[in-house]
Amino acid sequence: EVRLVESGGGLVQPGGSLRLSCGGSGFIFSNYAMTWVRQAPGQGLEWISGISASDNSIFYADSVKGRFTISRDNSKNTLYLQMNSLRAEDTAVYYCAKGSYTNSFECQHWGQGTLVIVS
Amino acid sequence: DIQMTQSPSTLSASVGDRVTITCRASQTISVWLAWYQQKPGKAPKLLMYKTSTLEDGVPSRFSGSGSETEFTLTISSLQPDDFATYYCQQHNSSPFTFGQGTKLEIK
Repeated sequence: EVRLVESGGGLVQPGGSLRLSCGGSGFIFSNYAMTWVRQAPGQGLEWISGISASDNSIFYADSVKGRFTISRDNSKNTLYLQMNSLRAEDTAVYYCAKGSYTNSFECQHWGQGTLVIVS
Repeated sequence: DIQMTQSPSTLSASVGDRVTITCRASQTISVWLAWYQQKPGKAPKLLMYKTSTLEDGVPSRFSGSGSETEFTLTISSLQPDDFATYYCQQHNSSPFTFGQGTKLEIK
């Protein structure tokens, strides 16, 4: 069974930093693209960043470009999101998701999410 | 960036109804369109990708169609479990944007 577990969320002050992690199990982590999606309270889904299986392709939404950094450690089956210069509008539940292929950014499986509050 | 626009934003329907949700892309995305279902307090669930490829375990009452810039999600006969919010997402090019969502409510 595919399982994704996010961690690292919490309360942070504006301008602060946080690093989210997403551990994957039940699949060959190094074979799949991974994505971060967030959802502000009461709002819709916002795609924010994706990384291909071999991390040679990395993408960001304009809203986080230059502040957030996605990375992965395939030896640890873990995806990361380093978030710097956090703003109130970054407050959201952050989900990691697995694609269906090495370079495919639809979100086939999702974690349960981790809440980030910037205040 | 490609903008994704869903309509309607809210849809009221009854069990047994056939419903259709539309998603329009601001530029062509070929067939690279996915649909998700989300229930309150839960992570989204992939229903289908590449316009019409049904994810494993998704009931056959869900279907998708379209190409280029206009796409539809159809539920052939609404079941009580289908009342939720639905999102489209283009997975053609970065940023892989979502639509704003369609809330399907019980009439």
